[in-house]
Amino acid sequence: EVQLLESGGGLVQPGGSLRLSCAASGFTFSTYAMSWVRQAPGKGLEWVSGISGSGTSYYADSVKGRFTISRDNSKNTLYLQMNSLRAEDTAVYYCAKFEGYCSGGNCENWYFDFWGRGTLVTVSS
Amino acid sequence: QAVLTQPSSLSASPGTSASLTCTLRSGINVGTCRIYWYQQKPGSPPQYLLGYKSDSDKQQGSGVPSRFSGSKDASANAGILLISGLQAEDEADYYCMIWHSSAWVFGGGTKLTVL
Repeated sequence: EVQLLESGGGLVQPGGSLRLSCAASGFTFSTYAMSWVRQAPGKGLEWVSGISGSGTSYYADSVKGRFTISRDNSKNTLYLQMNSLRAEDTAVYYCAKFEGYCSGGNCENWYFDFWGRGTLVTVSS
Repeated sequence: QAVLTQPSSLSASPGTSASLTCTLRSGINVGTCRIYWYQQKPGSPPQYLLGYKSDSDKQQGSGVPSRFSGSKDASANAGILLISGLQAEDEADYYCMIWHSSAWVFGGGTKLTVL
């Protein structure tokens, strides 16, 4: 059974940093791309960042230069380092597993087939 | 103008069908896009329902009932999630998603009420 367990959320001041983790189990972690998707309170879903099994990373414009995604395949763990946090980064952050494939820069066949329960990040003074 | 536009709410009666639309911004051709659909119930993470590009190129999520299906309306430049035989448990938020400009983009979501 696929399981994704996020941790590391909490309250942080504007301009601060936080590192989220996602512990994966139930599948061969190293062979799957992974992603972070967030949802502000009462709002819709927003893709944040993704990483292939080999480490190629992707970022939404809203977080580029501030957030860094990484993975440790030996620990079956996905990370999101968040720096220079802003109030608008307040959200539940979901870890999501990709299914499908990305070919020649066209990733329309990659989609999120399983999501964790999320961890809440609150940016406030 | 948003890349994907969904009606904020929709109501339908049990046993009937509901058609949820996802309109693509002008300049983005729905015919060339693969559209994914997710269901989210309060307090829970989203769940994958299906992906649809054409009748010959589609995939259903594992364990997702066949009464959930996808289609397109080319004249409206929109993707459609059709839910037939509505049940009370189908009451949820529904999001569409596409890959566009090297990013995954979600619609704003439709809150489906079954009453």
